[in-house]
Amino acid sequence: SAVISQKPSRDICQRGTSLTIQCQVDSQVTMMFWYRQQPGQSLTLIATANQGSEATYESGFVIDKFPISRPNLTFSTLTVSNMSPEDSSIYLCSVETQRNTGELFFGEGSRLTVL
Amino acid sequence: GESVGLHLPTLSVQEGDNSIINCAYSNSASDYFIWYKQESGKGPQFIIDIRSNMDKRQGQRVTVLLNKTVKHLSLQIAATQPGDSAVYFCAEYWDYKLSFGAGTTVTVRA
Repeated sequence: SAVISQKPSRDICQRGTSLTIQCQVDSQVTMMFWYRQQPGQSLTLIATANQGSEATYESGFVIDKFPISRPNLTFSTLTVSNMSPEDSSIYLCSVETQRNTGELFFGEGSRLTVL
Repeated sequence: GESVGLHLPTLSVQEGDNSIINCAYSNSASDYFIWYKQESGKGPQFIIDIRSNMDKRQGQRVTVLLNKTVKHLSLQIAATQPGDSAVYFCAEYWDYKLSFGAGTTVTVRA
């Protein structure tokens, strides 16, 4: 298992600003993932963040909008850049502790509201 | 579009009854199928998974059935309790990534 802490847990942001979400894991993990969950919707994978390499983005998500850092095996950040109201969502960090099983552990999420 | 989806968006169940949540998928190459539970204000929590070469797997009060012929996945919860009220997502694991279906909201009536 893994315990994941995300900061901030929620925030209200102004249009055009950027916000960085932090994800801290209590153990070293290779695979970290960032998901977005729009209100009342399912989870959509934004990108896979592996330590020592650039993040791999899914279709519809680009590095300029969602830059990700992965400086070590226990920490990652996701920045939501130049925010608009459409970016209002819950952003979730997750990790895989057993390789290639699909069993992910999730943080509580960061709920962003963009005005 | 999404390759994994759920048949019903909501399910209301009497406490003590069994719940059945269904899911249809389209990617025959998926290695694992997984059920997650998300309570309000929390991140999804792993419930149970099933490998693509299995038909059935049982856990504590939960059973997952996989029908590859019709690409159908179901989660059965025995003796549903108030703590089972949540949104349930099926997900498929393929190409080192997890893709989630639309979710079913389960409400348990006392």
